[in-house]
Amino acid sequence: EVQLVESGGGLVQPGRSLRLSCAASGFTFDDYAMHWVRQAPGKGLEWVSGISWNSGSIGYADSVKGRFTISRDNAKNSLYLQMNSLRAEDTALYYCAKSVGGGYVDWGQGTLVTVSS
Amino acid sequence: QSALTQPASVSGSPGQSITISCTGTSSDVGGYNYVSWYQQHPGKAPKLMIYDVSNRPSGVSNRFSGSKSGNTASLTISGLQAEDEADYYCSSYTSSSTSRVFGGGTKLTVL
Repeated sequence: EVQLVESGGGLVQPGRSLRLSCAASGFTFDDYAMHWVRQAPGKGLEWVSGISWNSGSIGYADSVKGRFTISRDNAKNSLYLQMNSLRAEDTALYYCAKSVGGGYVDWGQGTLVTVSS
Repeated sequence: QSALTQPASVSGSPGQSITISCTGTSSDVGGYNYVSWYQQHPGKAPKLMIYDVSNRPSGVSNRFSGSKSGNTASLTISGLQAEDEADYYCSSYTSSSTSRVFGGGTKLTVL
């Protein structure tokens, strides 16, 4: 059974940093591209960042470019999102998702990030 | 980048069919066959319903179907059931500086 378990969320002050992790199991992690998708409270889904299986291709939403860094450790079956210079508008539930072709076939349950003073 | 355009809400009665549209540009929906659709119930993670425009993952009811014409993709749900009531999102690959974009979401109400 595929499992994606996010962690690392919490309450953080504006301007500070946070690192999210996603532990993957139940599939061959290094066969798949992985993504972070977020959802602000009461709002829609927003793609944040994606990384190819070998980290050779990486993309970011304009809203986080220059502040967030995605990475993965295939030996540890883990995906990461380093979030710097956090803003109130980054407050959201952050999901990691496994990508197959053009779709996100598996999702975690999310980790909540709240940016507030 | 702009989100894909979806109607805010649609509704239908049990047994009926409904269609949700997702309009983009030639740089996303119209340019690639990488449109996907997600169902999200309150408090739950999204669930993939359609990928690559019209393909259904294993386990998804054949009442759900997808199509695309030009810059607009569509999700059709036939034989509407109460459990179909949820939010639906489309997503597409994009050639812009980012690689993925979502629609704003559509709330489906089963009357």
